[in-house]
Amino acid sequence: GQSLEQPSEVTAVEGAIVQINCTYQTSGFYGLSWYQQHDGGAPTFLSYNGLDGLEETGRFSSFLSRSDSYGYLLLQELQMKDSASYFCAVSVGGDYKLSFGAGTTVTVRA
Amino acid sequence: NAGVTQTPKFRVLKTGQSMTLLCAQDMNHEYMYWYRQDPGMGLRLIHYSVGEGTTAKGEVPDGYNVSRLKKQNFLLGLESAAPSQTSVYFCASSPIGQGAGYTFGSGTRLTVV
Repeated sequence: GQSLEQPSEVTAVEGAIVQINCTYQTSGFYGLSWYQQHDGGAPTFLSYNGLDGLEETGRFSSFLSRSDSYGYLLLQELQMKDSASYFCAVSVGGDYKLSFGAGTTVTVRA
Repeated sequence: NAGVTQTPKFRVLKTGQSMTLLCAQDMNHEYMYWYRQDPGMGLRLIHYSVGEGTTAKGEVPDGYNVSRLKKQNFLLGLESAAPSQTSVYFCASSPIGQGAGYTFGSGTRLTVV
């Protein structure tokens, strides 16, 4: 099976930078994805890393190190609307199914 | 575009009753998935489908059945509901391609009493 570890909670102030780490143990690893979920609503896709390195999408960046089985999501210039749960997920095997971590609740304070 | 639509949004069942959750997507995606989400446990894969007429078991398939008779629809059935199946159920779809990302529905909140 797969196991993923990410912190359960992070709190930061508006304008700050937050890094959410994700470590994983799995076989047949294809890539690492990140999803955002507000208040139990539909999770939304943020990013995918299939190769080592940094992927940047606006204020959010994601990093992967396959040799370390580690990745992170970087949230910059935090805004109140970034308060949400963030899930890392590993893609295993060739049929694109994802295994999710337990999620990190990010709280942004004024 | 509607994306992924789940019905119903809420349901209360008595132990032993059966029900079907419907998921419909209008993006012509090949792959569809059913997940359940419980507090503190993230999303766990129940069943998935890699195309019309195909289904496969995920991480927690016991007590559930699925069917994908049409490409746009993916049904999740509970034959005899149990309190342990109280959860929020999310359907998702994706095109072919590892980095494509899932599109999720808004969820079905099911309570079994």
